[in-house]
Amino acid sequence: ETVLTQSPATLSLSPGERATLSCRASQSVSSYLAWYQQKPGQAPRLLIYDASNRATGIPARFSGSGSGTDFTLTISSLETEDFAVYYCQQRSNWPPTFGQGTKLEIK
Amino acid sequence: QVQLQESGPGLVKPWETLSLTCSVSGYSFSSGYYWGWIRQPPGKGLEWIGSIYHSGTTYYNPSLKSRVTISVDTSKNQFSLKLSSVTAADTAVYYCARQKYSSGPMDVWGKGTTVTVSS
Repeated sequence: ETVLTQSPATLSLSPGERATLSCRASQSVSSYLAWYQQKPGQAPRLLIYDASNRATGIPARFSGSGSGTDFTLTISSLETEDFAVYYCQQRSNWPPTFGQGTKLEIK
Repeated sequence: QVQLQESGPGLVKPWETLSLTCSVSGYSFSSGYYWGWIRQPPGKGLEWIGSIYHSGTTYYNPSLKSRVTISVDTSKNQFSLKLSSVTAADTAVYYCARQKYSSGPMDVWGKGTTVTVSS
């Protein structure tokens, strides 16, 4: 099974700052990596698929990059509604797996 | 607008079978996409359980495969999850979701339903 390791576990930033979240895979997942945002009590929401493609309705401040084993989710200028938990997920290797999450909190 | 809604018992006894249904509205099942189940234990991360295509082809997580059955009823635009021989470790929020491929990504999610395994 492909293990996805997200770092940092918690990221404390202020609105307006730039956020950089990392996801590292235990083996290559090519570009088949997605990012999700989850707020308390809500279902996850798809942000990015296939490493760098924004899902429908996702603001341009969210961007994804990477391939192989190292991936990054960048939020260019944090809005208050962006503070949440973020998960990465790979679909390249069986079974599909999720990272353990990065909590983005207000500093 | 595609919407998914989970339904089923919120409490299941140990060693019994957990049964959930996901009702899909705003989208025709036979138009493609895969339909999946994902769960999240309290305070923990996400685990993919399995998915099904409208034709009935199923895909399961090997860690749960011996206990999981996913089925589809295209006439009702519903798909279902059965998880047998449950224990407290199966206590979680269960989500249904639409998937572009058998293994993701999940682009539309239901709100989730909490299932507690307890006697």
